[in-house]
Amino acid sequence: SAVISQKPSRDICQRGTSLTIQCQVDSQVTMMFWYRQQPGQSLTLIATANQGSEATYESGFVIDKFPISRPNLTFSTLTVSNMSPEDSSIYLCSVGDTSPGEQFFGPGTRLTVL
Amino acid sequence: GDSVTQMEGPVTLSEEAFLTINCTYTATGYPSLFWYVQYPGEGLQLLLKATKADDKGSNKGFEATYRKETTSFHLEKGSVQVSDSAVYFCALSPNVRGSYIPTFGRGTSLIVHP
Repeated sequence: SAVISQKPSRDICQRGTSLTIQCQVDSQVTMMFWYRQQPGQSLTLIATANQGSEATYESGFVIDKFPISRPNLTFSTLTVSNMSPEDSSIYLCSVGDTSPGEQFFGPGTRLTVL
Repeated sequence: GDSVTQMEGPVTLSEEAFLTINCTYTATGYPSLFWYVQYPGEGLQLLLKATKADDKGSNKGFEATYRKETTSFHLEKGSVQVSDSAVYFCALSPNVRGSYIPTFGRGTSLIVHP
């Protein structure tokens, strides 16, 4: 198992600004994942972040809007750029690269864009 | 592609009632199946899993049996508690090395009243 923390836990931001979300894991992991969970919806994978390489983005998500850093094996950041109210969501990071389908999630960052 | 279908919520029950949340899936091959739970204000946690047909996953009084013939993985609990109030996600993942990202259902909200 892994213990994951995220900062901030929640934020209220103005349209057009950017927010960087931090994800810290208590052990070294190869793969980290970023998800978006819109109100009342399931999870949508934004990207997979491997240390030492560019993040791999899913269809509908682009690096200019959601730049990701992965400077080491225990840390990653996701930036939500030029925000609009449609970006209001919960953003979750997770890890899990030892057993197919088993992932450990952080507590999430609840973002509201006004 | 792979998909998971869950019954729509919210499911509202009185304490000590019997719980069933239906989940069916579409997948090629023989995936692993999961139930994740998301308590209010938290990230997702793995609740239970089953990796092959007829396996029964169980945890915290919850059970689900992998039914290949009906492509189902229904979640059950004999006597729910108020503390079980949460959103429950059914998920699947191919049993393929390197395939770590699960496909999630839309989630089913459970509300348990005292």
